[in-house]
Amino acid sequence: EPEVTQTPSHQVTQMGQEVILRCVPISNHLYFYWYRQILGQKVEFLVSFYNNEISEKSEIFDDQFSVERPDGSNFTLKIRSTKLEDSAMYFCASITPGAGRPPYNEQFFGPGTRLTVL
Amino acid sequence: AQTVTQSQPEMSVQEAETVTLSCTYDTSESDYYLFWYKQPPSRQMILVIRQEAYKQQNATENRFSVNFQKAAKSFSLKISDSQLGDAAMYFCAYRSGETSGSRLTFGEGTQLTVNP
Repeated sequence: EPEVTQTPSHQVTQMGQEVILRCVPISNHLYFYWYRQILGQKVEFLVSFYNNEISEKSEIFDDQFSVERPDGSNFTLKIRSTKLEDSAMYFCASITPGAGRPPYNEQFFGPGTRLTVL
Repeated sequence: AQTVTQSQPEMSVQEAETVTLSCTYDTSESDYYLFWYKQPPSRQMILVIRQEAYKQQNATENRFSVNFQKAAKSFSLKISDSQLGDAAMYFCAYRSGETSGSRLTFGEGTQLTVNP
């Protein structure tokens, strides 16, 4: 069964450093998402991406964040200068074409990347 | 903006018993989807069950079923014959059906403990 993959599973970085989190969505999916979950809190939407551009972003997704689909398979989240409060689990998700009526309404989640900022 | 509320931070159930997790939501939309996700200690997000708002019939997946009350904006999850493997954090989530590719909005989660 196709699945969303994410690398690395755990990233440790120093405050102020740049990090890139990588995701490989399911191959025929068209919408891609990043979500964040700070430990012990709920999952929060960061950004959605469609047709090579951001389709929606939350207030969390400020200028420190950027997303890219560099090669048609990978989907990346870059944090330019990490802060302590960026420590969280980051989930990538993707959705099938024609996202709307069933059965095309399920977002498939990757296993997550745990980011620790020291 | 849509909001999702889970008022039970923690719940516990005896193995083989039934437990119901509560979820309410607020929206002005008429076309939307509701989901329950399970998050075990591995923190992987696993879809448990989904409900389309235009369907009156409550969704069922094996031991998992929902009670969808559209007028009350309530979407509870019932787990029957609870098993030790059901222990996890459960998140209720909302997704608009009026915009393609719309985001998921999650509730705060309910930590379910299953006692042997």
